[in-house]
Amino acid sequence: QQPVQSPQAVILREGEDAVINCSSSKALYSVHWYRQKHGEAPVFLMILLKGGEQKGHEKISASFNEKKQQSSLYLTASQLSYSGTYFCGTGPRGGGNEKLTFGTGTRLTIIP
Amino acid sequence: EPEVTQTPSHQVTQMGQEVILRCVPISNHLYFYWYRQILGQKVEFLVSFYNNEISEKSEIFDDQFSVERPDGSNFTLKIRSTKLEDSAMYFCASSRTSGTPDTQYFGPGTRLTVL
Repeated sequence: QQPVQSPQAVILREGEDAVINCSSSKALYSVHWYRQKHGEAPVFLMILLKGGEQKGHEKISASFNEKKQQSSLYLTASQLSYSGTYFCGTGPRGGGNEKLTFGTGTRLTIIP
Repeated sequence: EPEVTQTPSHQVTQMGQEVILRCVPISNHLYFYWYRQILGQKVEFLVSFYNNEISEKSEIFDDQFSVERPDGSNFTLKIRSTKLEDSAMYFCASSRTSGTPDTQYFGPGTRLTVL
């Protein structure tokens, strides 16, 4: 069953913050975040593993709440280059490195 | 930086024809995947491959699909008799390890158009 992402789309001005959520009805074991620009391949952002950890990469960070079966991606002081569609992919039970089940994506548009 | 490569970038074919999509995974990676993305939709898992065997496949990956690692570097996806609904972007991905979640690196994709 695919994870549900919210919002489906968001438009921000450069410098504003965004939060993208990824929720699952099933237990989450790992969450993989990707960004995809139009016509390009998904680009890996980060992996979060069960345990409620938070990760960060420059102005992009994410949290993983195992109990809530949810992960959130935080984009701080957004830049024009952040525009794209963000997908969360959930990893299978047991942490095996098999298929990722992707959400429907969140389209983020940053305007000057 | 090593990357996954795919050829061709765009393939146009007639319905019923066979197509082979090619991928060269990152050289020290052991796990290979095919995903597809219909225009405007989410990325969908097709198949995973390890140690010259299919590890897992989705419902989409029916008898018309097959994968092969013909040599030490290439990883191919064959669609035997293409249908209109096979039109999509096909992404190859690879990862280094299993057992613990590891990053799957995606190639640039092959856009398949079935006429």
